[in-house]
This record gives sequence, structure tokens and C-alpha cells, in this order.
Amino acid sequence: QLQLQESGPGLVKPSETLSLTCTVSGGSISSSSYYWGWIRQPPGKGLEWIGSIYYSGSTYYNPSLKSRVTISVDTSKNQFSLKLSSVTSADTAMYYCARQRSAGKGAFDLWGQGTMVTVSS
Amino acid sequence: QSALTQPASVSGSPGQSITISCTGTSSDVGGYNYVAWYQQYPGKAPKLMIYDVSKRPSGVSNRFSGSKSGNTASLTISGLQAEDEADYYCSSYTSSSTYVFGTGTKVTVL
Repeated sequence: QLQLQESGPGLVKPSETLSLTCTVSGGSISSSSYYWGWIRQPPGKGLEWIGSIYYSGSTYYNPSLKSRVTISVDTSKNQFSLKLSSVTSADTAMYYCARQRSAGKGAFDLWGQGTMVTVSS
Repeated sequence: QSALTQPASVSGSPGQSITISCTGTSSDVGGYNYVAWYQQYPGKAPKLMIYDVSKRPSGVSNRFSGSKSGNTASLTISGLQAEDEADYYCSSYTSSSTYVFGTGTKVTVL
């Protein structure tokens, strides 16, 4: 049974870079038709799509975050990662990784449990 | 990109049916059959309830159904139960090759 697990620091200082990794277990990240994405949710607010990646490395990002976001994939480790630079308190959120159907156009059908990241000095 | 518009809250009594709307544009909801709905309990990760407008993942109750008309998608919960009390989000692929979520709806079972 496929599972996703986020990992990374829970506290990041303002202006620094947030780095998270999602480890996929119980299946291969190199499966065709699926993309892999990052979604975040500030406390008490709604979901925001950050970006998605295919195992080949093809990416697409939320235009509002594109200048600060890099998503990468390591197929040898069955992982994909998120880097968000120049963070501010507005980036404080629960960060989820998820599998995306239909070549990156479809729904997120499997989610990690999420990891809370707080931006504070 | 702007979030899809959902009502902030919807409520109903046990056994009743409720419908949550999700309004976008011809560049997202109206242009593609990639609308999805998610259920989220407090402190938990979202769970996919409906994908591709009206398809249910294995294991999701048939009390949940989805539809679309023009630029508005809808999620209907029939036979409302106490366990349906949660937040619900819609989402859609867009013509900019991006993905957008709705503003979210809190469902209350009276």
C-alpha cells in the first residue's frame, strides 16, 4: 500500500530557505501517469497548491510562489523535495505531499500526514 | 490565480441532503473535467472524495456525488450523517497548466 511521509525542520528563520522531503513507500515514484505535488495550509485557512513534479523532473508551479519555489525528485531514493526561499511568517503552514492523478491535471488521491513548519526567529 | 469560490458554511439535519457549490471560470472548472472534492477533519490530511467531476474513489460512500454545470461544480451529500461534519474543498486544473483549490466549506450537521 503506497504511503507518503513528509520530513524536515519544523522551525525556519525568516529570510532563510525551507526544505522538505517526501518519501514514497510501498510503490515506485517512477510510476507513469502520476505526478507528485506539494500543498500547504496556513493555520485556520484553506489549501494552497505549491507545485507538482513528474519522475522525469518535469515541474509546474503556482505562479504566486514560482520565483521562490524549487521542487526536485530523486528516483533512486523514491523521494521528492521542496525548497522555498526567502521565507516570511506568511509561509507558516502545514505542508503536505501528495500523489496527483492524470499526468498532473487530476486530483491528489494519496496524501502524507503533513508536517507543520513555523517561520520565526 | 484566484481560488475557486465556495460558500463558507452549509448545514443540514441528519438524513437530509446538502449541496456545496464551487464556482470558477471557463479557464478552470468550466474548461476541464478535472474537478475534485476533498474532505478534511480538524488536524487531519485531506481525503479525496470525488475526482474527474463525478467519480468516486474505492471506499468512498455512494452518499457522495459530484456534478458540473458550466463554470460551477457541486458536491451533494445525501443521507447526511454526523460523521460528514468536516471541511470540504473543491479543486480544478486550469488553462495556465496550474492547479487551484476552492475557498473551503464547513459542513455542520445540526
